[in-house]
Amino acid sequence: GENVEQHPSTLSVQEGDSAVIKCTYSDSASNYFPWYKQELGKGPQLIIDIRSNVGEKKDQRIAVTLNKTAKHFSLHITETQPEDSAVYFCAEESSNFNKFYFGSGTKLNVKP
Amino acid sequence: KAGVTQTPRYLIKTRGQQVTLSCSPISGHRSVSWYQQTPGQGLQFLFEYFSETQRNKGNFPGRFSGRQFSNSRSEMNVSTLELGDSALYLCASAGVAGANVLTFGAGSRLTVL
Repeated sequence: GENVEQHPSTLSVQEGDSAVIKCTYSDSASNYFPWYKQELGKGPQLIIDIRSNVGEKKDQRIAVTLNKTAKHFSLHITETQPEDSAVYFCAEESSNFNKFYFGSGTKLNVKP
Repeated sequence: KAGVTQTPRYLIKTRGQQVTLSCSPISGHRSVSWYQQTPGQGLQFLFEYFSETQRNKGNFPGRFSGRQFSNSRSEMNVSTLELGDSALYLCASAGVAGANVLTFGAGSRLTVL
């Protein structure tokens, strides 16, 4: 549960393109995987989450997919906009309720 | 409704001193967690409280401690500060038991000189 690997560490895309961030985890017992967006000077903000009983969840331009067999989950942002520029973190809830392990973050830069 | 409020937002201390940070959760939330965020280590779990009881603890030395009051407000304390304690300390609250969705505050940025 302590190893959540997140790639890439930086991602630069043109406005309107798609962005994909991937995370892998090690604890097969984990069941809840949130994604957070952190803007400069602010705390992380939950943008989407997924539980292990579904393989995909979508909310407007944002989607998350989960592959429990392979132990990886991904964030997909379509039609990116400059305001999507921020640092994104994936997280995995450990077997201890409300204790989370976070990925190292991806700095997304959307160029206008 | 008001979000998670952390005070102070910024503070500077010197090595050896101690510091107390405060967190007021969203009204009705009874779970409060603390995380340390540094460029090198990322977000690391410190501890989590629910109804004044510490339910989970991370891998930090005993210099890091916390508590939660009956109104769900929480404080964390770091004693004998070291340079490596410089970080953004984030508090997050969550709703009733079974709702493990975290809402973070803006954090308290601690600089140790």
